Amino acid sequence: SQQGEEDPQALSIQEGENATMNCSYKTSINNLQWYRQNSGRGLVHLILIRSNEREKHSGRLRVTLDTSKKSSSLLITASRAADTASYFCATDSAGGTSYGKLTFGQGTILTVHP
Amino acid sequence: GAVVSQHPSRVICKSGTSVKIECRSLDFQATTMFWYRQFPKQSLMLMATSNEGSKATYEQGVEKDKFLINHASLTLSTLTVTSAHPEDSSFYICSARNQAGPQHFGDGTRLSIL
Repeated sequence: SQQGEEDPQALSIQEGENATMNCSYKTSINNLQWYRQNSGRGLVHLILIRSNEREKHSGRLRVTLDTSKKSSSLLITASRAADTASYFCATDSAGGTSYGKLTFGQGTILTVHP
Repeated sequence: GAVVSQHPSRVICKSGTSVKIECRSLDFQATTMFWYRQFPKQSLMLMATSNEGSKATYEQGVEKDKFLINHASLTLSTLTVTSAHPEDSSFYICSARNQAGPQHFGDGTRLSIL
């Protein structure tokens, strides 16, 4: 079952603007991951944030995690047309440091106009 | 980085045909592989988890006799859609991980049943 909900479902912005996507989940997690999917392709892993972390950066990506609110956000700064894709959050509820099953959110379709 | 190869990328066949999809980990030993199904503009839904050398664990509502999974080696898992019908048309994605790592995804297989 899908426990994650993402908003917005679709986001359309101009190149250079920032894009923020949110994800909420229902159960306790070990970590939360964000993935990108280009149309008709597999998933590309973007970033992983552990339950004891609050913020993580990777290049133009910034992820936050609020375990008290069971929510996460993905910020893409200075967006480019090539960032156009679907973005999914996925929660891993395995205990300890092991990696278990992933439960995916519904995804956000991001369109960046040149 | 870790590479997962999924083959074929696209299958078009007649109703009643059985279709086999392969998922290979190219540069690491995949102790666990996952099979997902994705409908257009929707999220990934986990179908089953397979551990090398043992029977797959299917998610609720997934017919194990319909979707046969074999994980006979540490680098190969196969999903066979038996007697496929148009409602089985979908995008199927596999992922693989070793005991200590995150999931790495294949590029998916677009299955179209006429």
